[in-house]
Amino acid sequence: GAGVSQTPSNKVTEKGKYVELRCDPISGHTALYWYRQSLGQGPEFLIYFQGTGAADDSGLPNDRFFAVRPEGSVSTLKIQRTERGDSAVYLCASRKDGGARTQYFGPGTRLLVL
Amino acid sequence: AQKVTQAQTEISVVEKEDVTLDCVYETRDTTYYLFWYKQPPSGELVFLIRRNSFDEQNEISGRYSWNFQKSTSSFNFTITASQVVDSAVYFCALTTFSGYALNFGKGTSLLVTP
Repeated sequence: GAGVSQTPSNKVTEKGKYVELRCDPISGHTALYWYRQSLGQGPEFLIYFQGTGAADDSGLPNDRFFAVRPEGSVSTLKIQRTERGDSAVYLCASRKDGGARTQYFGPGTRLLVL
Repeated sequence: AQKVTQAQTEISVVEKEDVTLDCVYETRDTTYYLFWYKQPPSGELVFLIRRNSFDEQNEISGRYSWNFQKSTSSFNFTITASQVVDSAVYFCALTTFSGYALNFGKGTSLLVTP
C-alpha cells in the first residue's frame, strides 16, 4: 500500500514568510507525528496527533510553529515568520493504533529559509 | 528522560566486511521499545526492527542481526558481509510505554566501498 507522503519535497522561502508543509499518513493510521531533522543530527520530535487532536505538542520550539489535523488524516505544519534557523528537513510519521509503536516515515520536506 | 547514544559518528568498511553499529540507551521506564532505522542518501527513514524491553531474544534477518542486552543497556546492530547498498546513516531510537515520541541517537554514517 501507499506509504506516508509529504509535500512539497523542497521549499525555499525568505526570512519572515509563512510556510505550510503537508503530510498524508498511511491509510488507517490514527497516530501522526512531526519531527525536525537538522544536518548531521537525528530527528527531533515536534508534535503528536491522535486522531484530530494534538496529544503532545511539547516539542514545538516556539509559538511560530503550529500544526493541525482537522479530519484525522492529513496534517499541516505551519510556520509563521520563518527564520534562517528553521531550515531543516521536516519529517512526518504515522503509526497504527495499538501496541506496536512502530512509526513509518515519509520522505520529508527540505525547508530552506534564505 | 530518555537518551540514546550512538558513539560512532562515521564508519568506513570495505565490501564483504562485517560491521557492528553500537547503540546505548538510558531510560527509567521498565517498559520501552527500541528501534533501528536506515536513512539512505535519498533521505527517507526506513524501519528495520523493533524490540520490546521484555523480549531480549536476539534477532537475525538475512545479513542483519541485532543484539539486545538489558544488562548493559545496549542494542547493537551487525551487518554481515556488507554491501555497497548498505551505505547509509543508521539511527537507533527509543520510546517508552508511557511516551509516544521516538528519541533518536545522532546516527552512524556507514560507508561501504567496493
